[in-house]
Amino acid sequence: DADVTQTPRNRITKTGKRIMLECSQTKGHDRMYWYRQDPGLGLRLIYYSFDVKDINKGEISDGYSVSRQAQAKFSLSLESAIPNQTALYFCATSDFATNYGYTFGSGTRLTVV
Amino acid sequence: DQQVKQNSPSLSVQEGRISILNCDYTNSMFDYFLWYKKYPAEGPTFLISISSIKDKNEDGRFTVFLNKSAKHLSLHIVPSQPGDSAVYFCAATSWGGGATNKLIFGTGTLLAVQP
Repeated sequence: DADVTQTPRNRITKTGKRIMLECSQTKGHDRMYWYRQDPGLGLRLIYYSFDVKDINKGEISDGYSVSRQAQAKFSLSLESAIPNQTALYFCATSDFATNYGYTFGSGTRLTVV
Repeated sequence: DQQVKQNSPSLSVQEGRISILNCDYTNSMFDYFLWYKKYPAEGPTFLISISSIKDKNEDGRFTVFLNKSAKHLSLHIVPSQPGDSAVYFCAATSWGGGATNKLIFGTGTLLAVQP
């Protein structure tokens, strides 16, 4: 099993729909992140959490929300999806001891039509 | 405002030759830098890192050079192999800023190594 698992791997949804992307990890890391990748823009941070009771906005949090249900689970929600949220989404984990060597999931390709 | 920039979206090199990927940053508070490699349909994987107290770090075929005065780092791959074909992301953070800091990524460079 993968250390960081994202579900679903692919999703097509309609504008205005609510959608949740899920991430779970078996690394035992306390820090979790959500990034999105867009062509020409690289990886941009949406939200991050350093422990279960800690949630922080990243560079591009508008239109997104997150929930840290447990140390191992961090979900990303789009309350009302719009086409410019079409992107590749990555969850990542780390802990302070790994010198910022993040472990990434395989990504969720989201298309909003 | 892009704090970490990779100005070359793509690079093509011949197998066996050197690949040089470049990265520039603007935030003088950054003191720790990393390179990640990403294959299609996979997440990025950590490749190599360097602290600002060094100007070079080597790991096998991969070497990262840091020029703090120019706010520039580069990744050298020697010799390049077809399996190195991937997108490479540069990332930076302020380690000295403590536990609240996170990685800022560049836009990525697609490396194609031709057999």
